[in-house]
Amino acid sequence: GAVVSQHPSWVICKSGTSVKIECRSLDFQATTMFWYRQFPKQSLMLMATSNEGSKATYEQGVEKDKFLINHASLTLSTLTVTSAHPEDSSFYICSAAGTGGLGTQYFGPGTRLTVL
Amino acid sequence: RKEVEQDPGPFNVPEGATVAFNCTYSNSASQSFFWYRQDCRKEPKLLMSVYSSGNEDGRFTAQLNRASQYISLLIRDSKLSDSATYLCAVRDNYGQNFVFGPGTRLSVLP
Repeated sequence: GAVVSQHPSWVICKSGTSVKIECRSLDFQATTMFWYRQFPKQSLMLMATSNEGSKATYEQGVEKDKFLINHASLTLSTLTVTSAHPEDSSFYICSAAGTGGLGTQYFGPGTRLTVL
Repeated sequence: RKEVEQDPGPFNVPEGATVAFNCTYSNSASQSFFWYRQDCRKEPKLLMSVYSSGNEDGRFTAQLNRASQYISLLIRDSKLSDSATYLCAVRDNYGQNFVFGPGTRLSVLP
């Protein structure tokens, strides 16, 4: 399957700071990238969908000013958690989908964010 | 009603058992269907796509029933390593709506 990388894989930060997470599709051009959040023992929750070169579409209840998404190229999307608080601590996972075939999504390895 | 629903689980089965998971979806425009597995504290990994005629990959068999809007996953001769959460996912034809089910946790016991 396709390869998607995510960086960093693990981050601890102080409350009030901003954290940027990168998601890269390494061997295919991702026209669409998705950002998910997953709390312990809960299911994936889609936060936003981003298409290269356009503004992200946020799911209901997700603050676009707090979770800034940039999808500047077909291989890179970033999620910035601004002014992070302890309740933002979670597992953030990106996925990327191309246009070919069934449009399968491939997931990055995730970023575990802990806000102190 | 949620867009994609799955058996609530968890399923605890002995090694060698056959186990089946069901997933229902509400959007009749859904065109692509997938099963993913997710291990604890890891990202979901694609297990298999689901084709209209049904498909098999080793011990895993996926079926699609468009009329009833459900997909299923059958695991035969289950192994300890099959223990994970199984997520179904559906995608509409326009690619803008990709929805995961809540997952069903499977524990295969020795």
